Amino acid sequence: QVQLQESGPGLVKPSETLSLKCTVSGGPITSAAYYSSWIRQRPGKGLEWIGYIYYSGTSDSAYYNPSLQSRATISFVTSESQFSLKLTSVTAADTAVYYCARGDWSTWFDFWGQGALVTVSS
Amino acid sequence: EILLTQSPAALSVSPGDRVTLSCRANQNIVSALAWYQQKSGQAPRLLVYNAATRATGIPVRFTGSGSGTEFTLTISSLQPDDFAVYFCQQYNGWPRTFGQGTKVGIK
Repeated sequence: QVQLQESGPGLVKPSETLSLKCTVSGGPITSAAYYSSWIRQRPGKGLEWIGYIYYSGTSDSAYYNPSLQSRATISFVTSESQFSLKLTSVTAADTAVYYCARGDWSTWFDFWGQGALVTVSS
Repeated sequence: EILLTQSPAALSVSPGDRVTLSCRANQNIVSALAWYQQKSGQAPRLLVYNAATRATGIPVRFTGSGSGTEFTLTISSLQPDDFAVYFCQQYNGWPRTFGQGTKVGIK
């Protein structure tokens, strides 16, 4: 059974960089079929896809939600079965529960982490 | 961006009731739609993909249907464990988007 677990600071100051890691167990992280994804849920709101990364066999490729205006970067830490999210220049509007998830190709999300609450506040 | 509108936003039902949730897309997404269940404090769980295919381990009381712009998730006989928020998600266009959710509460 594939399991994912988010980790990282729960509090980030405005204008700083949010950094989270997702540790994956029970399955490959660099299969071309699996898209390692980040999704967030702001308080009382719906879900927002942040982006994902996948390994195409020769290199990594990442895609992001344009709404984040190029502030997000997703990358692999393959030696530790992890992938990470960095979100720069955060504001209070970035306060959310951040989920990592596995995408089946670039479609639906079949396995999710439990979520990590990140609060942006001074 | 493809917008997904779910209705109703919330409903109150009794165990044993038949429940029908709607998800409408603002453009044709063929059958590229998934449904998720999210219980309070938990991560979403995949219920249905490709509009009508149940995910592994999902009970048969959950049925997805529809194509194009109109989609439905039906719970044939609501169980106590089914009280939750339900989201739809499309994967036909970029970025991937979710509906705002329908909360199924106890009457």
